[in-house]
Amino acid sequence: QVQLQESGPGLVKPSQTLSLTCTVSGGSISSGGYYWSWIRQHPGKGLEWIGYIYYSGSTYYNPSLKSRVTISVDTSKNQFSLKLSSVTAADTAVYYCARDLSGYAANWGQGTLVTVSS
Amino acid sequence: EIVMTQSPATLSVSPGERATLSCRASQSVSSNLAWYQQKPGQAPRLLIYGASTRATGIPARFSGSGSGTEFTLTISSLQSEDFAVYYCQQYNNWPPALTFGGGTKVEIK
Repeated sequence: QVQLQESGPGLVKPSQTLSLTCTVSGGSISSGGYYWSWIRQHPGKGLEWIGYIYYSGSTYYNPSLKSRVTISVDTSKNQFSLKLSSVTAADTAVYYCARDLSGYAANWGQGTLVTVSS
Repeated sequence: EIVMTQSPATLSVSPGERATLSCRASQSVSSNLAWYQQKPGQAPRLLIYGASTRATGIPARFSGSGSGTEFTLTISSLQSEDFAVYYCQQYNNWPPALTFGGGTKVEIK
């Protein structure tokens, strides 16, 4: 059973770059067939898709965040990463990584809370 | 962008009763719709994909129906562990786009 685990700083200063990594175990990112996603949830709110990446490096981003988002993959470490630049308090959220099968997220990490504050 | 609207925002149901949750798309998404369950402090869990196919390990009391713009998630007999927030999500134009509904909270009556 594939498992995903987010890691990264829980506190980021305004205007800086949020960086998170998702480590995948129990399955290989490079085996293909899946897209690897980042999704966030503002406190007490609904879910917002950020973007996803295929093992080949192809990426798709939410248009509302596209100018600030970069998702990358490191198949040698079986990890994929999220960078969100120029953060503000509005980027405070729980960030989830997930494995997408044909457009729906069948497997999720436990999530990590990132707070943007000085 | 396809907008997903869920109703009601909150549904109060007694254990053992049936719960019916609705999800409407602003344009047709065919059967490219998923449902998720989220409990407090936990990640969402996939329940249904393809509008009506249960994910692995999901009990038969959960069923999905609909196509086009109108979808329904039915929980036939609510168990205590079913009280949670439920989200629908369309993936008709995937890749790249997918969007979530705002969620329905199912609470104990």
